[in-house]
Amino acid sequence: DQQVKQNSPSLSVQEGRISILNCDYTNSMFDYFLWYKKYPAEGPTFLISISSIKDKNEDGRFTVFLNKSAKHLSLHIVPSQPGDSAVYFCAASGDNYGQNFVFGPGTRLSVLP
Amino acid sequence: DSGVTQTPKHLITATGQRVTLRCSPRSGDLSVYWYQQSLDQGLQFLIQYYNGEERAKGNILERFSAQQFPDLHSELNLSSLELGDSALYFCASTPNGRGELFFGEGSRLTVL
Repeated sequence: DQQVKQNSPSLSVQEGRISILNCDYTNSMFDYFLWYKKYPAEGPTFLISISSIKDKNEDGRFTVFLNKSAKHLSLHIVPSQPGDSAVYFCAASGDNYGQNFVFGPGTRLSVLP
Repeated sequence: DSGVTQTPKHLITATGQRVTLRCSPRSGDLSVYWYQQSLDQGLQFLIQYYNGEERAKGNILERFSAQQFPDLHSELNLSSLELGDSALYFCASTPNGRGELFFGEGSRLTVL
């Protein structure tokens, strides 16, 4: 049973436009969410996080939105750049989940020049 | 550079063999996690250690074991290897088991 879902395996966006990556979760005990970016042959790198007490967190071109009632979060990248082409993982954690992080399957973003 | 070091980067071995993957966490980080990524799949949590003690266990096979040593480095032992164990194995660390995970570059295991 996948507790963190990323239903779009891939996404293509034109350079300069907005990229929107979506993530859904099923466990209401999750209270902390993170996005990671992964390039080929490298480990995932942290991008941005959000706590369940917030509904939005912004860092430069990256904004994460959290809708707790829908158990949904999204990552917006504006404007998208070719260097953003990577696999993006959504991850969730919660105190009642043993300080564990559960990752989604990832979405491969391609930003076309 | 995340500060997490994993060795070896690549490993090729045969079925039935045993290998050990090593991880040195970031300086000062007490918590170490191991994840497995198979063929473009997501990151599957294997096991977590905190200051030498096992803290959480995921979908780790009985043929796999891990430990965290007093100097906080960790080793993941994989035995009786099967073709399906071919994967990228990532180690990650955090200061206290919450917050951002810092990942190493991974160890790519190929079982022939």
